[in-house]
Amino acid sequence: EPEVTQTPSHQVTQMGQEVILRCVPISNHLYFYWYRQILGQKVEFLVSFYNNEISEKSEIFDDQFSVERPDGSNFTLKIRSTKLEDSAMYFCASSFGLSSYNSPLHFGNGTRLTVT
Amino acid sequence: AQTVTQSQPEMSVQEAETVTLSCTYDTSESDYYLFWYKQPPSRQMILVIRQEAYKQQNATENRFSVNFQKAAKSFSLKISDSQLGDAAMYFCAFGGSQGNLIFGKGTKLSVKP
Repeated sequence: EPEVTQTPSHQVTQMGQEVILRCVPISNHLYFYWYRQILGQKVEFLVSFYNNEISEKSEIFDDQFSVERPDGSNFTLKIRSTKLEDSAMYFCASSFGLSSYNSPLHFGNGTRLTVT
Repeated sequence: AQTVTQSQPEMSVQEAETVTLSCTYDTSESDYYLFWYKQPPSRQMILVIRQEAYKQQNATENRFSVNFQKAAKSFSLKISDSQLGDAAMYFCAFGGSQGNLIFGKGTKLSVKP
């Protein structure tokens, strides 16, 4: 069964550094998402992406964050200047259609980001 | 704005017994979807079961079933014949017209042998 793959599985970075988290969505999917889960807390929506542009974003997704689909297969999340509070598990997800039921989200295994 | 509330931070069940995890939500939308996700220690997000709001029949997937009460905005998960492998965090999630999911804070389920 096709999977959403995320790399790296664990990223350690120093405060103020830029990080790029990478995701390869399922190949025929059209909608892409990033979610975040701070340790011990709930999973929070960051951003959705469709047709090469952001379709929706949450309050968390401020100017420090950006997303890109640079080559038609990868979907990246960039954090320009990381802060301690950015430490979290970041999940990429994709779906074929917009409807979350008829086109359920497929989650990757996540990237654990640790900011020191 | 939609909200999802899971009022049980932790639950415990004896192996082979039945446990029910609670979830309530708030929305002004009439057509939406509800989900339960399982997150084991590996932290992968695994879809357990889903329910479309306009369907009155409660969804069932093997040992997992839901009690969907639309008027009460309640969506509980029942796990029958609990197994050790069911131990995990369980998240209730709401999916509306935008496609993204709104998650509750989760319930940590422990299964005692």
